[in-house]
Amino acid sequence: GQNIDQPTEMTATEGAIVQINCTYQTSGFNGLFWYQQHAGEAPTFLSYNVLDGLEEKGRFSSFLSRSKGYSYLLLKELQMKDSASYLCAVSDSNYQLIWGAGTKLIIKP
Amino acid sequence: DAMVIQNPRYQVTQFGKPVTLSCSQTLNHNVMYWYQQKSSQAPKLLFHYYDKDFNNEADTPDNFQSRRPNTSFCFLDIRSPGLGDAAMYLCATSPIGDISYNEQFFGPGTRLTVL
Repeated sequence: GQNIDQPTEMTATEGAIVQINCTYQTSGFNGLFWYQQHAGEAPTFLSYNVLDGLEEKGRFSSFLSRSKGYSYLLLKELQMKDSASYLCAVSDSNYQLIWGAGTKLIIKP
Repeated sequence: DAMVIQNPRYQVTQFGKPVTLSCSQTLNHNVMYWYQQKSSQAPKLLFHYYDKDFNNEADTPDNFQSRRPNTSFCFLDIRSPGLGDAAMYLCATSPIGDISYNEQFFGPGTRLTVL
């Protein structure tokens, strides 16, 4: 079956750095997405990786290793507004997104 | 601004009373999706349209139906809502161009409460 695993919840301090991991097993791979979802709102796109390596976008970076079925999202200089759920999603062989349950990130002052 | 719009944002219905949720888009995307998302869970794909071609997920209950009368609009009909259908319903769209990059654009969602 297809499976996306990510931690349920993480806590970090304002101004610090946090890494959210995602491992996946899917039938085919056409890229991995990270989305941010604030409570009661829709997911919003953060990043896309299809090749191995690190993609940097401001305070956020995303890394992919296809051979290990592994990705992480790195958030730097954490701000209170970064408190949200972070969803990992993989595009499978049919170009459908397989979603993880999300990691709830709690930022403390 | 090009966007995905969902109405209403909050919907309350009675147990067993049919309800329709709507989604419209100004992005002119070929693909439209309906997801159900319950608290702290992954979005669950109910169905999607590739243009007019309807694709139903195998585990989507018959209680859920969908219509896409044109490119811009898509509707989710819940024929007899049960308490277990209370959830956030998300509409998303995706362009088909560079098919390897199928970012999905989400509407704000409709939170359905069943009394």
